[in-house]
Amino acid sequence: DAGVIQSPRHEVTEMGQEVTLRCKPISGHDYLFWYRQTMMRGLELLIYFNNNVPIDDSGMPEDRFSAKMPNASFSTLKIQPSEPRDSAVYFCASSLGLAGSQETQYFGPGTRLLVL
Amino acid sequence: AQKITQTQPGMFVQEKEAVTLDCTYDTSDPSYGLFWYKQPSSGEMIFLIYQGSYDQQNATEGRYSLNFQKARKSANLVISASQLGDSAMYFCAMREGGDSGYALNFGKGTSLLVTP
Repeated sequence: DAGVIQSPRHEVTEMGQEVTLRCKPISGHDYLFWYRQTMMRGLELLIYFNNNVPIDDSGMPEDRFSAKMPNASFSTLKIQPSEPRDSAVYFCASSLGLAGSQETQYFGPGTRLLVL
Repeated sequence: AQKITQTQPGMFVQEKEAVTLDCTYDTSDPSYGLFWYKQPSSGEMIFLIYQGSYDQQNATEGRYSLNFQKARKSANLVISASQLGDSAMYFCAMREGGDSGYALNFGKGTSLLVTP
């Protein structure tokens, strides 16, 4: 079984540009999570979806960030306009459910974003 | 308040020895899940082991075991027979249920170096 797939793996962009990060969850997983990892703040949840519906977006930093899940196999995280402080590793994760071991979140390889 | 505390920023262990990585957590929710993830220098987050709050027995997965002491709110990871490839950052995480949502709260991590 393929794991969580993220693209691109690396992104370098200039301040003010739009950035789109992509994620394909594990087939059959109903929950999808977007996390951000920085040295200062560690790993923090941005948003998560259940059956393609956003459930909790309280971690989204500001209106410049938006996330969508148009179908069960694809999600995007968009930053517009990007700023240098958005530089981080962005992880997508998915889980089968929320009961017992089904709640285990499997992470993608991450996208390393650098905003100049 | 810190939900997950990992007090060991760095640990050394000799190859083939066992090592314990400490994790304490803080929650008043009776239902929660505890996880350990490994992050090697390549950056991906690799799931290691899961313990549910209602699980009676300590979780084990190959060389990994979780020493779950509920009354002390600790969930230490034990790695037996360390290998050079175990050198990585290790993160303890907790999922609280219900109103807290289903995000994982991560500790700051412990860097483990396995020496020959």
